[in-house]
Amino acid sequence: NAGVTQTPKFQVLKTGQSMTLQCAQDMNHNSMYWYRQDPGMGLRLIYYSASEGTTDKGEVPNGYNVSRLNKREFSLRLESAAPSQTSVYFCASLDVNTEAFFGQGTRLTVV
Amino acid sequence: ELKVEQNPLFLSMQEGKNYTIYCNYSTTSDRLYWYRQDPGKSLESLFVLLSNGAVKQEGRLMASLDTKARLSTLHITAAVHDLSATYFCAVDRTGGTSYGKLTFGQGTILTVHP
Repeated sequence: NAGVTQTPKFQVLKTGQSMTLQCAQDMNHNSMYWYRQDPGMGLRLIYYSASEGTTDKGEVPNGYNVSRLNKREFSLRLESAAPSQTSVYFCASLDVNTEAFFGQGTRLTVV
Repeated sequence: ELKVEQNPLFLSMQEGKNYTIYCNYSTTSDRLYWYRQDPGKSLESLFVLLSNGAVKQEGRLMASLDTKARLSTLHITAAVHDLSATYFCAVDRTGGTSYGKLTFGQGTILTVHP
């Protein structure tokens, strides 16, 4: 049971480049989330998907888009990367009355 | 806007001592989570607290939830070096049958030394 799998683990982008972070879960959870973690700020919600076919903005959505491809997969896209998007990104999934399970994270640097 | 505040943010403990980390939040919620994070790693779930008065214990850690006071505590008993990590509380903002939009505290960096 792999849980939540994120790819890639590390990425360096130049300002203005685009990329997609991939996330897949094998726990049959309905809800999936993308968070970013910056030093001293905990984790902040970027986008979430309460169920297949739905997505909603979180606390810090600007500069990002998401796709809930199916129940298993939830991707995060940066269309034009900016240095302010340098962060560690975590994907998570959960279901009712369970805790959120987190992927291993993607460490993104935008130069 | 839901705010979640942890204190202390930095905690240096001696092995064998007891201490408590506090998590205060600003709006009604009855779902609170505690996570542990080691440097460069993901978040590991410690406790899920789903009702007022909930108390859970695992080894040297015990968590409790007082929804009326909007306060959760993580108590560490007889600390050992292996407990050194960053601890986060997270509060679920959504109510009813909705769930999962977590708001995290800033994290408490715990260092246990001999």
